[in-house]
Amino acid sequence: SQKIEQNSEALNIQEGKTATLTCNYTNYSPAYLQWYRQDPGRGPVFLLLIRENEKEKRKERLKVTFDTTLKQSLFHITASQPADSATYLCAFISSGSARQLTFGSGTQLTVLP
Amino acid sequence: DAMVIQNPRYQVTQFGKPVTLSCSQTLNHNVMYWYQQKSSQAPKLLFHYYDKDFNNEADTPDNFQSRRPNTSFCFLDIRSPGLGDAAMYLCATSRDLGSGGTSSYEQYFGPGTRLTVT
Repeated sequence: SQKIEQNSEALNIQEGKTATLTCNYTNYSPAYLQWYRQDPGRGPVFLLLIRENEKEKRKERLKVTFDTTLKQSLFHITASQPADSATYLCAFISSGSARQLTFGSGTQLTVLP
Repeated sequence: DAMVIQNPRYQVTQFGKPVTLSCSQTLNHNVMYWYQQKSSQAPKLLFHYYDKDFNNEADTPDNFQSRRPNTSFCFLDIRSPGLGDAAMYLCATSRDLGSGGTSSYEQYFGPGTRLTVT
C-alpha cells in the first residue's frame, strides 16, 4: 500500500542552525510534492511545491529537494529562528488527479533560542 | 484579504446528535475540500467538490455528508457523531482549471473547527 513517512515526530535544533526534515514514500509515484507548515490549532499553510522533474526549489530560507530514485524529499530551513517552530507536513499529488493531496503525519520542529 | 473562513472554531455536540460545520471562501476557487485531522496525525481527505461535482473518498463513512450550495460555501454534516469523530475538521480550497487551463496546486486551508463529542 502507499505510504508516506516523515523522519521523526519531533526535531529540536539550536537557533541559527539548519533544520533538515525528511519525507520518504513507498509504492507511490508523485507528480508533485508540497510542504506545508501547521501551527497548533491552525490549518496548514502552503510553503513550497516541487515537480518530479525538478531537483531543487528555493524560497528565501527554505529549500526543498526531490529525489525520485531515493523516493525522498528533504526540506531545509537555514538560519533557523524560534518563529520557525511548528509542525511541517509533506504532501503528494499523483499525476492522476491534481486534487488528491496525500499528507504525511508531520514533523514537529522546535528551534531553541 | 481573500481567505477561507470556518465556523464555528470550536463545536461541542452530544453523541448521536447531528452537527453541521460551515466553510466559506473569498478566493473564488472552484474546488473545496473537507479534511479530518486527529491529534498528531496527517489530515485525511473526506471528500471534495470540483465545482458542483461531489467526489467522495472510498473510505469516508456514510455518517459524513457535504453540501455546496454555491461557489463560496461548503458544509460538512455529521449525521450521528460518535466519540471517534472528535477531531479537527479542516476546509481547504484550490483552483483547478483542468487540462485546458492553469491550475494552482497549492491548497488554502481555513483555521479548522475543533469538534468535541460528549
